Amino acid sequence: DGGITQSPKYLFRKEGQNVTLSCEQNLNHDAMYWYRQDPGQGLRLIYYSQIVNDFQKGDIAEGYSVSREKKESFPLTVTSAQKNPTAFYLCASSISRTGMETQYFGPGTRLLVL
Amino acid sequence: AQSVTQLDSQVPVFEEAPVELRCNYSSSVSVYLFWYVQYPNQGLQLLLKYLSGSTLVKGINGFEAEFNKSQTSFHLRKPSVHISDTAEYFCAVSDPPNFGNEKLTFGTGTRLTIIP
Repeated sequence: DGGITQSPKYLFRKEGQNVTLSCEQNLNHDAMYWYRQDPGQGLRLIYYSQIVNDFQKGDIAEGYSVSREKKESFPLTVTSAQKNPTAFYLCASSISRTGMETQYFGPGTRLLVL
Repeated sequence: AQSVTQLDSQVPVFEEAPVELRCNYSSSVSVYLFWYVQYPNQGLQLLLKYLSGSTLVKGINGFEAEFNKSQTSFHLRKPSVHISDTAEYFCAVSDPPNFGNEKLTFGTGTRLTIIP
């Protein structure tokens, strides 16, 4: 089955700790995205990547970092600089990034702060 | 910058009744419009999208939406809802290529609750 997987489903972060959220896709999509979802705020774009070894900041990139070393993988690191990391994180991919493409979403990772 | 307004944060509807979820966007240029659905604790999936052509768009699960350029609206409708339609619905907009903003901008969502 083709799709997007995210792991773990739940993640706990201690103060001052960096944590990494995994996102893998086997859809052969070029573009990948990370969104943050908070109650009542919809989805906000953190980072996106149109091609391997290239990525751009979205609307709320501060306190986050990403890498795109393989087409299939787009991990997100939540650094200690992100002061309010508790949220639901969604990874998505699309064939390309022309604006008209359907984005396919993973099941999400819920990050909680201890 | 694009913005999307979903006027209703929560909509309760009796089973088998019709429903309309409202979406307005802010843009004077051509846009692409989307409705996504999110079931509890899951990711989003596409219901339907408008790129061009007919203003009435049909999607999955019996949903449809109508693009109204003069009112900058893209309201979602279903003539008869089912318990399984209970979910959160997000309207989203993006610009066509070369307009400088191909990213997807989401509304804040409408939580649809179906009452048995």
